[in-house]
Amino acid sequence: DAGITQSPRHKVTETGTPVTLRCHQTENHRYMYWYRQDPGHGLRLIHYSYGVKDTDKGEVSDGYSVSRSKTEDFLLTLESATSSQTSVYFCAITTTQGGELFFGEGSRLTVL
Amino acid sequence: GQQLNQSPQSMFIQEGEDVSMNCTSSSIFNTWLWYKQDPGEGPVLLIALYKAGELTSNGRLTAQFGITRKDSFLNISASIPSDVGIYFCAGQQIQGAQKLVFGQGTRLTINP
Repeated sequence: DAGITQSPRHKVTETGTPVTLRCHQTENHRYMYWYRQDPGHGLRLIHYSYGVKDTDKGEVSDGYSVSRSKTEDFLLTLESATSSQTSVYFCAITTTQGGELFFGEGSRLTVL
Repeated sequence: GQQLNQSPQSMFIQEGEDVSMNCTSSSIFNTWLWYKQDPGEGPVLLIALYKAGELTSNGRLTAQFGITRKDSFLNISASIPSDVGIYFCAGQQIQGAQKLVFGQGTRLTINP
């Protein structure tokens, strides 16, 4: 158990509304990630963080922003949700330099 | 973005059969990882490979890091019902870059 908690686990919202997903970790790991999972695409990196206030973009970052004001929390924000952002979002942390990621249980977002 | 080609996309087998799946890329990777995802949960790390030619086992699972560093294979022997799920390969290109690229996944279904 990597001590990762995602919230909310399920959310339904309407197009144009802001949405924030939270990832909380209990073990003080430096690196945290947000991925989205869609059928046929596997997992794609949205943003990641390598420390407090240090973040960088992944391959599908358009329409998303992140913040990390504390080591334990990494927030993913959709400023104005669109239907194309309907997906399952996974937070992950890494405990080693070897690239092994450990994932949370996911947050399923539906944008109507 | 970088792509890993994972095949097959789905497999339907009888309980007790052996399973093989693979992942290929046009680029070289320094690390290969294999994950399994059960419905409604996040991916769980099965095997990590760090060296070209490396062969690693975890129970009935065996994975290999291809000698060209552009591919990896996962074999499951004597499949059982709990092997059902989606299997993902993932690769890391640069040590310390802390970013993984994922394959599209192989969905394994087992008939009892």
